[in-house]
Amino acid sequence: TQLLEQSPQFLSIQEGENLTVYCNSSSVFSSLQWYRQEPGEGPVLLVTVVTGGEVKKLKRLTFQFGDARKDSSLHITAAQPGDTGLYLCAGVPAGANNLFFGTGTRLTVIP
Amino acid sequence: DVKVTQSSRYLVKRTGEKVFLECVQDMDHENMFWYRQDPGLGLRLIYFSYDVKMKEKGDIPEGYSVSREKKERFSLILESASTNQTSMYLCASSLSAWTRGYTFGSGTRLTVV
Repeated sequence: TQLLEQSPQFLSIQEGENLTVYCNSSSVFSSLQWYRQEPGEGPVLLVTVVTGGEVKKLKRLTFQFGDARKDSSLHITAAQPGDTGLYLCAGVPAGANNLFFGTGTRLTVIP
Repeated sequence: DVKVTQSSRYLVKRTGEKVFLECVQDMDHENMFWYRQDPGLGLRLIYFSYDVKMKEKGDIPEGYSVSREKKERFSLILESASTNQTSMYLCASSLSAWTRGYTFGSGTRLTVV
């Protein structure tokens, strides 16, 4: 059983479309992070959110941490082919020190 | 920028061989981690270390061991490689998982034949 469930697992969209990826859990997290991984490379940290209800923006990417700190979403506006990759959410459960990773969402943006 | 360097991008080893995967970080991070990544299973923690000569088992330590003789270097050892250890291996380091996240290396794709 995964601590963090991501949906959808796969997403294929046309350039210019919007999309949202979800990361859900029944556990409370001290912080939650999003990473992007390109083929043949390690994951790269995009953002960390630590406060319930927090919203962070990184250009066309908007990240939200749920009020109860159990879930998060990543919204991409006007997707571009360069957004293609594996998106991973990861969280530090309350009282723990390590990150737990979701299984990821593989995004393909078609030109 | 923090850099985490893994010694090999691709490795092919034979069943039963002893395999060493090396990882070096250059930012004086105390925390280092080894994961394996498999399709449909995500990242699974093998071992981690919070300090020199210190190691803790992760979720899937069987068949692996680690060594941390220096702060900057964390080695993963496959004592007797098996085909089910064919995978992508990722090393990471961290100052604080809670606020700073992990910095990953580029990974080693290991194939055991």
